Amino acid sequence: SYELTQPPSVSVSPGQTASITCSGNKLGDKYTSWYQQKAGQAPVLVIYQDTKRPSGIPERFSGSNSGNTATLTISGTQPLDEADYFCQAWDSSTAVFGGGTKLTVL
Amino acid sequence: QVQLQESGPGLVKPSETLSLICTVSGDSISSGHYWGWIRQPPGKGLEWIGSIYHSGSTYYNPSLKSRVTMSADTIKNQFSLKMTSVTAADTAVYYCARDRITSAAQNWFDPWGQGTLVTVSS
Repeated sequence: SYELTQPPSVSVSPGQTASITCSGNKLGDKYTSWYQQKAGQAPVLVIYQDTKRPSGIPERFSGSNSGNTATLTISGTQPLDEADYFCQAWDSSTAVFGGGTKLTVL
Repeated sequence: QVQLQESGPGLVKPSETLSLICTVSGDSISSGHYWGWIRQPPGKGLEWIGSIYHSGSTYYNPSLKSRVTMSADTIKNQFSLKMTSVTAADTAVYYCARDRITSAAQNWFDPWGQGTLVTVSS
């Protein structure tokens, strides 16, 4: 079965750029989505089709996908961006999630 | 604004069947999207369970397929999940979400319901 691998944690200082990676075999040949989940809340879609932002998601969130790695980038990270982030892709008629990355803003 | 709301028992006994309903407002489940279930054990990551089209067409997670059945009720604008032979490992927050599966073999989930905690215990 297909697997997506994320680092368990990433730390960033306020105002700096945070990058969260998601790795999978030939992931660049698929489309990746990203979800933000704050403590005690449901996940929220922040990026779909590798690079697109849903309405209402700030421009500081961006995505890329090439080779075996997709990346979620948060520019000018704010304390309110502290959350768990999950990547997700579709493979062989199955939705697959990465294990999640805890983003700490300190 | 599309909203989804999960409902069902919060406690299920081991070996019994877990049953949940997702009620959709602001969109019709016959609108051309799939509708999915995702779960999250306490303190862990997300696991996709399956997705259903209003016609009854389904995709299931292979690891759960033998225990899962999904159905859609277009009259009530609801879709449901049944999972048989549950164990403590099935204890999780269960979310329903609109699943934007496309013909280009891709998908994304948006929006999500608030989730409901189901505990499997005697």
